[in-house]
Amino acid sequence: SAVISQKPSRDICQRGTSLTIQCQVDSQVTMMFWYRQQPGQSLTLIATANQGSEATYESGFVIDKFPISRPNLTFSTLTVSNMSPEDSSIYLCSYFGGGNEQFFGPGTRLTVL
Amino acid sequence: AQSVAQPEDQVNVAEGNPLTVKCTYSVSGNPYLFWYVQYPNRGLQFLLKYITGDNLVKGSYGFEAEFNKSQTSFHLKKPSALVSDSALYFCAVRDIRSTGKLIFGQGTTLQVKP
Repeated sequence: SAVISQKPSRDICQRGTSLTIQCQVDSQVTMMFWYRQQPGQSLTLIATANQGSEATYESGFVIDKFPISRPNLTFSTLTVSNMSPEDSSIYLCSYFGGGNEQFFGPGTRLTVL
Repeated sequence: AQSVAQPEDQVNVAEGNPLTVKCTYSVSGNPYLFWYVQYPNRGLQFLLKYITGDNLVKGSYGFEAEFNKSQTSFHLKKPSALVSDSALYFCAVRDIRSTGKLIFGQGTTLQVKP
């Protein structure tokens, strides 16, 4: 599987600010995904990001709050905008491997004060 | 709607004993099923998958899972648990009707005691 990395690994932010999380894969992948894992909870898909098109958002997530970029086949960013303490979560990116499985980045642990 | 359930929040086993982490699913059509493990402060690691074929699938770190269509289950097993297996385990199903996103169960914490 390709190596997938995220930056930053963690951050502590103030309410009302925005944070952009970067996800880098060391080979070209068609689909990338962004998930949120709230404290003590399971993973929930935020959106699917394909290169060259708008991201597809899941119910309950909107582009104004979670804008996503996918400028090429190895990179994507997720921005968490106008943050509140409820946005404190682990954010993970992933991509599809060749055999239907998804491979995940190490995650970005976000704390909003 | 497609869903996955993990009925146990926590499973406790003694080192050296066999372990089972349960998962049941509800899907339309043939299921694509996965197990992932999450260690503290780490991302998710892929363990194994069932797409088609043999009902017993083997994966990483000595884990295996048994697909049972009649019981709609996909339980994770290991013959002899290690303390280092202690982690959070997620069962997931791929929603093949949409973009192929993964739908996760709520997770089961496995605690292996020496």
